[in-house]
Amino acid sequence: ETGVTQTPRHLVMGMTNKKSLKCEQHLGHNAMYWYKQSAKKPLELMFVYSLEERVENNSVPSRFSPECPNSSHLFLHLHTLQPEDSALYLCASSQIGMGETQYFGPGTRLLVL
Amino acid sequence: SQQGEEDPQALSIQEGENATMNCSYKTSINNLQWYRQNSGRGLVHLILIRSNEREKHSGRLRVTLDTSKKSSSLLITASRAADTASYFCATAGVSETSGSRLTFGEGTQLTVNP
Repeated sequence: ETGVTQTPRHLVMGMTNKKSLKCEQHLGHNAMYWYKQSAKKPLELMFVYSLEERVENNSVPSRFSPECPNSSHLFLHLHTLQPEDSALYLCASSQIGMGETQYFGPGTRLLVL
Repeated sequence: SQQGEEDPQALSIQEGENATMNCSYKTSINNLQWYRQNSGRGLVHLILIRSNEREKHSGRLRVTLDTSKKSSSLLITASRAADTASYFCATAGVSETSGSRLTFGEGTQLTVNP
């Protein structure tokens, strides 16, 4: 469907668990993003990585920890989450300076019990 | 209200009719983009219009931009049941460091009835 893949597609975790979300882009882009989409709310930008360097962190709680080992991969490490963290987590990528269009993955639907 | 606010929140039409969605924003922009999202899936880019453009077409899509009113509209002509989805506008500016930051609105849920 797109050049951005996300795994897992669905995740159920308890508040004491540690899990990681993975995103991979096959488009040769040099910027990657994590968004959170909750019901009845606009997409919230969480983190931006540009050229593998984190350039934005929008006051995200420390229980969310991003990692960008290279320009094609992006992780979101989760620990001691709260039920209100249940949402659709979307990864996106773009090429800086080339129209700023972002290409999204299918998302990970997260449920925190 | 938030940057990139869509109107209406929900729209229900019959197949073959045209659908118009509006977006308003507050700050100066580099460009404005429209995205589509099928239920529970990722967003798909539809069209981008730059701040120095007034109108753009892509297939059955027509986008207008009025920077003096800080508003944009998306028109889908001859709608089909497959157009049923949520539509989001997003405003773009380039950060001082690097990378592009999009600010999304809350979206318009379009339902096209067969």
